[in-house]
Amino acid sequence: DAGVTQSPTHLIKTRGQQVTLRCSPISGHKSVSWYQQVLGQGPQFIFQYYEKEERGRGNFPDRFSARQFPNYSSELNVNALLLGDSALYLCASSLGTVPGFEKLFFGSGTQLSVL
Amino acid sequence: AQTVTQSQPEMSVQEAETVTLSCTYDTSENNYYLFWYKQPPSRQMILVIRQEAYKQQNATENRFSVNFQKAAKSFSLKISDSQLGDTAMYFCAFMKHAEYGNKLVFGAGTILRVKS
Repeated sequence: DAGVTQSPTHLIKTRGQQVTLRCSPISGHKSVSWYQQVLGQGPQFIFQYYEKEERGRGNFPDRFSARQFPNYSSELNVNALLLGDSALYLCASSLGTVPGFEKLFFGSGTQLSVL
Repeated sequence: AQTVTQSQPEMSVQEAETVTLSCTYDTSENNYYLFWYKQPPSRQMILVIRQEAYKQQNATENRFSVNFQKAAKSFSLKISDSQLGDTAMYFCAFMKHAEYGNKLVFGAGTILRVKS
């Protein structure tokens, strides 16, 4: 079975632009979470979606948004990019049925560079 | 708010030796979960081991074990018989019990280098 897939793997944008990152969860998983990992730091929680509904939101500005599609894949959108948005964006999937203790399966991330 | 602190930015160990990575956390919750994740150069986060706070028994997974001290809010990871493939960044993480949102709170990480 395929793991969590993210696209693209690398992306370069300039300040002020908008970006869309994509994530396909493991087959059968209904929950997708997004994390931002700035160089030298641990990942920070951005969003979680389950059955197309937002279940959790981290402390990120409204420039960050996400959605989940009927096939459970997800997109993360970031508007008006800032230099500080440069980071590795990780997607994680899980079954979504047991809150709090489910094993999360992570993708290899999208490395976003904002110039 | 919960915080997770990893005080060792870098550690090194000889192959086949044992190494312990430290983690402390701060929370007012009584029920929660603790995790250790490994991030190799491939960047994919891999779950190493997890612990439920209401369980007194320390979790073990093959060569990996934890020392969970709830009162001290300490959660260290011991790697026995270290292998070259254990070289990676290790993150300690916290999650509240029964919280929807899969919100993991991570520490800053410890780089572990296993030397031959």
